[in-house]
Parts: sequence; C-alpha cells; structure tokens
Amino acid sequence: EAGVVQSPRYKIIEKKQPVAFWCNPISGHNTLYWYRQNLGQGPELLIRYENEEAVDDSQLPKDRFSAERLKGVDSTLKIQPAELGDSAVYLCASSLRGRRETQYFGPGTRLLVL
Amino acid sequence: SQQGEEDPQALSIQEGENATMNCSYKTSINNLQWYRQNSGRGLVHLILIRSNEREKHSGRLRVTLDTSKKSSSLLITASRAADTASYFCATDGDDMRFGAGTRLTVKP
Repeated sequence: EAGVVQSPRYKIIEKKQPVAFWCNPISGHNTLYWYRQNLGQGPELLIRYENEEAVDDSQLPKDRFSAERLKGVDSTLKIQPAELGDSAVYLCASSLRGRRETQYFGPGTRLLVL
Repeated sequence: SQQGEEDPQALSIQEGENATMNCSYKTSINNLQWYRQNSGRGLVHLILIRSNEREKHSGRLRVTLDTSKKSSSLLITASRAADTASYFCATDGDDMRFGAGTRLTVKP
C-alpha cells in the first residue's frame, strides 16, 4: 500500500513569492491534515479536513495561507506571499476516519524562504 | 499551542540501555499516541493507548498512561543505535496536538 505522497520535497523561494505544496493521502483515508514543523519543534496543526470539509483551520494564517481538498482526495496548501518566517517543514498526514485514529505522515516539504 | 509536553528535551544513552521519555498534557483525552521522527523524515506512528488503558506493549516499547496525573511514559528497552530519533507524544483532547519532542541519541 502506498503511503502519503508529498511534493515537492524541497522548495527555495524568495520572500513575497507564492508557493504551493501538494499531498496525496493514503487511498480510502477520509481525514487529511496539514502541519507545519519548525526546527526543533513538534508539528503544529494548520488545517484538518474530513473529506472535502475543513473542520479545523483555527491555526491557519488566513491572510496568506489557503488550502483546498478537491473531491475529498488530494490537497494543496498555498502560501501567498511567503515571508521569511514561513521557512519550515510542511507535513501532510492522513487517517482512516477522524482525528482520534492513527495518522500516517508523508515525508514533508522543506521550505526555505530567502 | 501544543498540548503534549515531553520530558526530557534530550536524552543520550549507550546502546543496550533503556530509555524513558515522559509526556504531560493538560486536557481530558480519548487516546494518546507516540510517534518517532528520524532526522529529515516524516513521523512514524509507534503506539496508541486509550484513556481506559494503563499500559501497553509493542515489541521493545512499553507505554503507560496515568489519566489522573495527565501523564504518559514511553520506555524503550535494550536500545539500539537505530532508535536515535525524536519522539513525540500527541493527544486528541480538543484536537490533535504534538509536544516539542524528546531527542534521543543512542551511542553504539
């Protein structure tokens, strides 16, 4: 069974540029998560989807971040415009159903904003 | 804000020794999970313990949960160099929250 797929793995951009990350969850998993992980810290939840619906986006900086999950499968996280402080690893995870189940993580996208 | 808080922040041991990490949390939970993260990689699920369980084993891993103290511990027995990683606890409280992790180094 394929795991969670993320792309790109690395991205270097200049500040004020836009950037997008893509995630393909494990087939059949209804719940999808986007996390941001700063160096030396644990993952911080940005948004959680149940199928197509964003059910928790309280930590998503909505002035510059947006996300979508088309047809309840793939998801895209966008930052526009990027700031220096956005440099981090962006992790996508999925679980079968609901936030109380085991989450399966992708390898992450490492973003560097110059 | 992060719900789980791991202790210690860093731990260095020799191969063959046991490693114990602790996690404290603040709100009521349904379950608590432990994850491992190797450098530059995604997180890997290790074990889930439900609020009505007190202890759980998986191979060389032993997890305990004390809901009255809002704390959990992860014990890795007979550690190996390959166990070198960061370990995180995550609670589902109001939502899934991870702590800052314990960085474990196992020296060969």
